Amino acid sequence: ELKVEQNPLFLSMQEGKNYTIYCNYSTTSDRLYWYRQDPGKSLESLFVLLSNGAVKQEGRLMASLDTKARLSTLHITAAVHDLSATYFCAVDKTWGGGADGLTFGKGTHLIIQP
Amino acid sequence: NAGVTQTPKFQVLKTGQSMTLQCAQDMNHEYMSWYRQDPGMGLRLIHYSVGAGITDQGEVPNGYNVSRSTTEDFPLRLLSAAPSQTSVYFCASSTVGGGVNIQYFGAGTRLSVL
Repeated sequence: ELKVEQNPLFLSMQEGKNYTIYCNYSTTSDRLYWYRQDPGKSLESLFVLLSNGAVKQEGRLMASLDTKARLSTLHITAAVHDLSATYFCAVDKTWGGGADGLTFGKGTHLIIQP
Repeated sequence: NAGVTQTPKFQVLKTGQSMTLQCAQDMNHEYMSWYRQDPGMGLRLIHYSVGAGITDQGEVPNGYNVSRSTTEDFPLRLLSAAPSQTSVYFCASSTVGGGVNIQYFGAGTRLSVL
């Protein structure tokens, strides 16, 4: 059974600081997705990581994938309040991608305080 | 751009009642999925469909039925609502191009079963 674990599950940090969210998964997969969810809202796709060593960056967020370690990280640089949200990582159930849904982590609730 | 549209946005049911959550997408995506989101649990897959006339069970299918008569629509039926089905339900659609399964989510339906 595929399991996806995120940590931390809750993070409160100050503006201007750096931090990393970790996502471990239990089976081999070469596709890792990061989503953002604002309170009471839907999920928005942030990054798709497709291979070992993949790195994607958007503004203050950078995601990376190590398929050998079964680990993805989401790094936040010089955090700003607008990045406060819940961040989810998700993994394809099927190796090589497929239509049978994603397995999600429990999410990291991130609060960035002035 | 409508994307993925879910109705209703909110619903309160009594135990034992039945209802249908509607989901429609206008992106001509082959694949559609239903997830439920519970506090601290992330998103869990209920049912999914790889095309019109084809559906399959996800991680938590009990108490739910689906059908897919058209590419656009993927309704989720609660047969006899139970308090354990109180949750936020998200419908998603995707097209698997190059093995990449980016799911686009609707705004969600917040369901309370009393």
